[in-house]
Amino acid sequence: GESVGLHLPTLSVQEGDNSIINCAYSNSASDYFIWYKQESGKGPQFIIDIRSNMDKRQGQRVTVLLNKTVKHLSLQIAATQPGDSAVYFCAVMTTDSWGKLQFGAGTQVVVTP
Amino acid sequence: NAGVTQTPKFQVLKTGQSMTLQCAQDMNHNSMYWYRQDPGMGLRLIYYSASEGTTDKGEVPNGYNVSRLNKREFSLRLESAAPSQTSVYFCASSEATGDYGYTFGSGTRLTVV
Repeated sequence: GESVGLHLPTLSVQEGDNSIINCAYSNSASDYFIWYKQESGKGPQFIIDIRSNMDKRQGQRVTVLLNKTVKHLSLQIAATQPGDSAVYFCAVMTTDSWGKLQFGAGTQVVVTP
Repeated sequence: NAGVTQTPKFQVLKTGQSMTLQCAQDMNHNSMYWYRQDPGMGLRLIYYSASEGTTDKGEVPNGYNVSRLNKREFSLRLESAAPSQTSVYFCASSEATGDYGYTFGSGTRLTVV
């Protein structure tokens, strides 16, 4: 089965710095990758996605990098703001289990002034 | 446009009691999902419904049943609640292809005493 993990449970970042959140996956059939943001008391919210035929995708202040060789995914947040404080999850969909996402355990990002 | 609506938001049950968590989406999505979220374990899939009229077990289905009432509604039932089912429950919906990931509800916090 799929194993999805994140490297750090908590990431403390100073306001204005860049944040990097990492995620490892195990199934080589993984084809679609999504990052979610979850604020306290709310459901996860879609941030950005990337397909396995890409290695980089950019959004507003966020960039997702995919390294299929080492099965590693990262989310970069530029100029981190207090509103970025949340738990971030990576989620993976495989070609043999299409439509079902498997989630990592999450990384708590704490933005300090 | 409300997205995904879950009721209730909070519930306390005694061991052995039953209850149904309700979920409705107004995005005309074909697929719906129930996840549970426990500290440090990310989100785990309980049941999903790829389309109206179909339901399938996810990773942790024991102790739960589901009903896809129509395209909009997908309910989760606990027949005999146990303390191990204390968790936050999230309903989500998506396009049938899974593109763009899921849209999540705001969750139901359930405590079984």
